[in-house]
Amino acid sequence: AQTVTQSQPEMSVQEAETVTLSCTYDTSESNYYLFWYKQPPSRQMILVIRQEAYKQQNATENRFSVNFQKAAKSFSLKISDSQLGDTAMYFCAFLGAQKLVFGQGTRLTINP
Amino acid sequence: GAGVSQTPSNKVTEKGKYVELRCDPISGHTALYWYRQSLGQGPEFLIYFQGTGAADDSGLPNDRFFAVRPEGSVSTLKIQRTERGDSAVYLCASSLGTARNTGELFFGEGSRLTVL
Repeated sequence: AQTVTQSQPEMSVQEAETVTLSCTYDTSESNYYLFWYKQPPSRQMILVIRQEAYKQQNATENRFSVNFQKAAKSFSLKISDSQLGDTAMYFCAFLGAQKLVFGQGTRLTINP
Repeated sequence: GAGVSQTPSNKVTEKGKYVELRCDPISGHTALYWYRQSLGQGPEFLIYFQGTGAADDSGLPNDRFFAVRPEGSVSTLKIQRTERGDSAVYLCASSLGTARNTGELFFGEGSRLTVL
């Protein structure tokens, strides 16, 4: 079974700083997707960024980028120029042949 | 509607009662997923529908939990004889085709269930 591990339960940075959230996963599959979701207090899961495993190039969405290391099974999220609105829970997730599997989450706080 | 809709938003019930939670997916989405998220945890998979049939119900914790999707659109998650440990946010997600093919799930805002 696939597992996703987020080793940082909480992180806190100052506004405008850069922050990196860590994620590792375990799978025997070769073709899969990896995601970072943001969950504000409203509870809705918002897709931040997606990476397809067969693509070597790291995905980027504006201030959000990933460092995808397939051999190491590592998928970290970098948030540049952090903003107060980035404060939320962040979940790393794996989608293989079966269902979407989530990590335990990292609570990120951006301080003014 | 434009997004995945879940009702009720909040539900408080007493131990032992029966509860139904509803999910209305994005129109045309054939795949529908239910997840349970306990406080401070990541969502845990419960069940996945492809059309009207449950393609994977391996995440349902016990036989008190049941879900249906009779017409391939709206789904209802049913919990019998509720227990305090069932308190959680129940999230629904849908995708066009299988999420495996599209690589994208759309989530609702969840139903928060509190069992007293």
